[in-house]
Amino acid sequence: QQQVKQSPQSLIVQKGGISIINCAYENTAFDYFPWYQQFPGKGPALLIAIRPDVSEKKEGRFTISFNKSAKQFSLHIMDSQPGDSATYFCAASNSGYSTLTFGKGTMLLVSP
Amino acid sequence: KAGVTQTPRYLIKTRGQQVTLSCSPISGHRSVSWYQQTPGQGLQFLFEYFSETQRNKGNFPGRFSGRQFSNSRSEMNVSTLELGDSALYLCASSLGGLVGNQPQHFGDGTRLSIL
Repeated sequence: QQQVKQSPQSLIVQKGGISIINCAYENTAFDYFPWYQQFPGKGPALLIAIRPDVSEKKEGRFTISFNKSAKQFSLHIMDSQPGDSATYFCAASNSGYSTLTFGKGTMLLVSP
Repeated sequence: KAGVTQTPRYLIKTRGQQVTLSCSPISGHRSVSWYQQTPGQGLQFLFEYFSETQRNKGNFPGRFSGRQFSNSRSEMNVSTLELGDSALYLCASSLGGLVGNQPQHFGDGTRLSIL
């Protein structure tokens, strides 16, 4: 089964700091890479997504960096806030399918 | 615009029983996907329906099945429940169609507990 490997499993960041979560994929057919944020008791919410024709995409405090040759992509949360404390999932899919392959998730805690 | 609605939110069943979960997609969305979320395995794809047809299927046993109705609402059925079926079942909807990689929007899930 094609995998998406996500690290770290958990992360503690001080308020105002930068949170960085990394993902690596194997399937070179993947061409869509979304990030989801999940709070307890809620479903995953789409945060930001990138396609491999760009190396970086920024939306507010959230930035995706993409390295096609290394088959890696990462999420950066700038000026992290306690309200950002949640579980973050990276995912990948290819154009022919709607199936998302998810990483195992990163529990982020932003300390006040 | 209303989001993806899943019912019921919680279910408790015993081994051997069967269960049906329901999902109402965002208005105008024609694709509905189902995922199973567990602490050990994370989020795993079950199947996807588009225009009442199963378009993709994950690696789950035949006890897991689904269907989609003409109004795009979808149901998922699990028969002969096992303890390992305890999980959060998530439904996601997207516009679907011929253009791939439409953003998928998730509901808050149905928490299924098997006793």
